[in-house]
Amino acid sequence: EAGVAQSPRYKIIEKRQSVAFWCNPISGHATLYWYQQILGQGPKLLIQFQNNGVVDDSQLPKDRFSAERLKGVDSTLKIQPAKLEDSAVYLCASSRDVDGYTFGSGTRLTVV
Amino acid sequence: AQSVTQLDSQVPVFEEAPVELRCNYSSSVSVYLFWYVQYPNQGLQLLLKYLSGSTLVKGINGFEAEFNKSQTSFHLRKPSVHISDTAEYFCAVSFSGGYNKLIFGAGTRLAVHP
Repeated sequence: EAGVAQSPRYKIIEKRQSVAFWCNPISGHATLYWYQQILGQGPKLLIQFQNNGVVDDSQLPKDRFSAERLKGVDSTLKIQPAKLEDSAVYLCASSRDVDGYTFGSGTRLTVV
Repeated sequence: AQSVTQLDSQVPVFEEAPVELRCNYSSSVSVYLFWYVQYPNQGLQLLLKYLSGSTLVKGINGFEAEFNKSQTSFHLRKPSVHISDTAEYFCAVSFSGGYNKLIFGAGTRLAVHP
């Protein structure tokens, strides 16, 4: 079974620029998650999709972050404009049910 | 509100000594419990999980954890650690009826010294 794919692996941008991350979940996994992991902290859930629909985006800074999941498969997370405090690892995960969550390797974003 | 607390931010221990990493949660509904390990510059790897049944759960790399419903805890233990166990450990909880949302604790840094 292929894992959760994320790209790019690393990204360095200047503040106020925009950036997008891509995630391809495991085939058949209806639920997709985006987490933000700031250095030294635990992952924080930004947004959760169930198929195409958003079921939780309560911690997504909606003035600058947006996410979509096309056709219930791939997903993109965008930041526009980026701030210094957005520097973090962005993790994508998928699950079929509560039995198993699979995480991607993450995208490490540095905002300078 | 539902939350996860890892009581120790750092745990130093000597090689071959036992270790316990503590995790408590707050919830009014049934929970599913997980421990993940993260090595430097790597992703999250599942160590073990509790979904139902026996409250003592065994995982990979010799780790085990015990679910204690009355104390709302899920502490991780290993009887004898190795240098290679040095990593960040995260407790995570999914709450029944919450669309399987997985909430993480802040993490515990395990440092194994020779």
